[in-house]
Amino acid sequence: EDKVVQSPLSLVVHEGDTVTLNCSYEVTNFRSLLWYKQEKKAPTFLFMLTSSGIEKKSGRLSSILDKKELFSILNITATQTGDSAVYLCVLPRGNLIFGKGTKLSVKP
Amino acid sequence: DSGVTQTPKHLITATGQRVTLRCSPRSGDLSVYWYQQSLDQGLQFLIQYYNGEERAKGNILERFSAQQFPDLHSELNLSSLELGDSALYFCASSVATGTGDYGYTFGSGTRLTVV
Repeated sequence: EDKVVQSPLSLVVHEGDTVTLNCSYEVTNFRSLLWYKQEKKAPTFLFMLTSSGIEKKSGRLSSILDKKELFSILNITATQTGDSAVYLCVLPRGNLIFGKGTKLSVKP
Repeated sequence: DSGVTQTPKHLITATGQRVTLRCSPRSGDLSVYWYQQSLDQGLQFLIQYYNGEERAKGNILERFSAQQFPDLHSELNLSSLELGDSALYFCASSVATGTGDYGYTFGSGTRLTVV
């Protein structure tokens, strides 16, 4: 059965800290892995990863995939209070299989 | 505005009642997906429609049903509501049946509270 496991489930840091969010997965016929950010409302797309070892970057956020070890990490550097959200790791399988998310709280 | 419209935004109803949640997909998207997000669960896939036809079913209860209309909007019907049905219900749309990429756009959700 396809599944996504994220850790930690919650994390509290202070502004300026760097955080690493983890995602491990099991899937048949891997195609891609997605990261989403969910604040109060709808999840919004961050990254799509398809190839091992190629880092995707967007400002202070970056993500990388290891297809051999079946995991991905999402890094956020110099965190800001606006980064507080739930970060979701997702396997697209026609529909989307979501992990339970990591709730990040950034304190001023 | 993501382009996916869900109504209503909030709904409070009593146990045993029936409600209908509505979703209008982004212009040009043929697929609509429904997800349920409870406090202790992640986002759970309920059902997918593509161009009016049911395409995939997930963990959808028999008390729940959905349909997609010719204008591509979709409705999720929840009946004989129980307290445990209280959740955030999201609709997402995509162009194809499953693009395997980031082509999924989410609506803002309907928060259902069953009292």
